[in-house]
Amino acid sequence: AQKVTQAQTEISVVEKEDVTLDCVYETRDTTYYLFWYKQPPSGELVFLIRRNSFDEQNEISGRYSWNFQKSTSSFNFTITASQVVDSAVYFCALSGTDSWGKLQFGAGTQVVVTP
Amino acid sequence: GAGVSQSPSNKVTEKGKDVELRCDPISGHTALYWYRQSLGQGLEFLIYFQGNSAPDKSGLPSDRFSAERTGGSVSTLTIQRTQQEDSAVYLCASSLAPAPGVFFGSGTQLSVL
Repeated sequence: AQKVTQAQTEISVVEKEDVTLDCVYETRDTTYYLFWYKQPPSGELVFLIRRNSFDEQNEISGRYSWNFQKSTSSFNFTITASQVVDSAVYFCALSGTDSWGKLQFGAGTQVVVTP
Repeated sequence: GAGVSQSPSNKVTEKGKDVELRCDPISGHTALYWYRQSLGQGLEFLIYFQGNSAPDKSGLPSDRFSAERTGGSVSTLTIQRTQQEDSAVYLCASSLAPAPGVFFGSGTQLSVL
């Protein structure tokens, strides 16, 4: 069975601080996909990144970066120099390669950025 | 269209009535998914379509729930004899392949009174 744990329920930061969201996963699959989504107050799930299990390179996209550690089954997400617009719920998700769109989501982490 | 489109955006119904929710995926996307988001259960997978067939219906919570997809495009999720516990946001997603990702619509907020 697959499982995604986001232990942080809510993180509050002041603008310009960095914030790191933890994601730990469990799967028996040897190959799988990991995702991060952002859900702002408007409610839409915004796709941020998809990572293959065989690609352990870290990735940076603007102020966002992701640290994939297969040895610890973690796929953490860092927002650098946070902004008020980063306030949202962030979800980590996992899927197997036989049904890569069937996502197992974590419970989500609420990020609150105050000016 | 440019993104996944869902209608209606909000639906209020009475307990026992049937409802139909519509999803129009991103043009050309062969895979389509329905998810449900509720306060108590988080984000849950319901059903997956590849083309017009549904190889995985494992997430449908009861036989009151059904879905179909026609022409490899539009999908409808039908809930018969709605119950209050069906109240949730129903999200549709589509993808072409694992890359670049799975893209979601804005959802239908269903309220069963």
